[in-house]
Amino acid sequence: DTAVSQTPKYLVTQMGNDKSIKCEQNLGHDTMYWYKQDSKKFLKIMFSYNNKELIINETVPNRFSPKSPDKAHLNLHINSLELGDSAVYFCASSQDPSSSDTQYFGPGTRLTVL
Amino acid sequence: RKEVEQDPGPFNVPEGATVAFNCTYSNSASQSFFWYRQDCRKEPKLLMSVYSSGNEDGRFTAQLNRASQYISLLIRDSKLSDSATYLCVVNIGNFNKFYFGSGTKLNVKP
Repeated sequence: DTAVSQTPKYLVTQMGNDKSIKCEQNLGHDTMYWYKQDSKKFLKIMFSYNNKELIINETVPNRFSPKSPDKAHLNLHINSLELGDSAVYFCASSQDPSSSDTQYFGPGTRLTVL
Repeated sequence: RKEVEQDPGPFNVPEGATVAFNCTYSNSASQSFFWYRQDCRKEPKLLMSVYSSGNEDGRFTAQLNRASQYISLLIRDSKLSDSATYLCVVNIGNFNKFYFGSGTKLNVKP
């Protein structure tokens, strides 16, 4: 069974549309994350949730809204998509928000905005 | 200034070679350090944590120099399967906020 799964794997959409990416982990972890990896392969944290509570919110446009219905799920909704949103979005999870904990990544969602 | 800086490479080495990557970090309050590996079009995966005393895992050795704020990764006896991008990762203080370097690409040639 996949530990951290994301859907969809590929997403191609027009500018201005609204889209969602879903993430689920079956590891029993308390903490989940969203990262964005741009064309230069730079991986940057966007959000982190611990037990459904937002604990990290980096400088991300408010068009991006995470939602955690339970601690096994962290979804990402993006409004009014822009060309610059094209990237690979990775979901990740870790056991707890301690600094030494390993993060497990999902396979990524490749978003292309036309 | 980026929190974590790495030489993007690529490092092109023959099989069996020893190769070393360095990474520097800017925040002296950084607490935890890691090397992750990312294969082409795949997700990052933890390679090893980096401890103050240095640590080894098979052919891989990681070192941390807090005074100079750099981390290194040494790969001995390179295999073709080591070809990947190696990401240096630093955690600063609270709330599990990880900063990733942009990665160093390694190509191991037969």
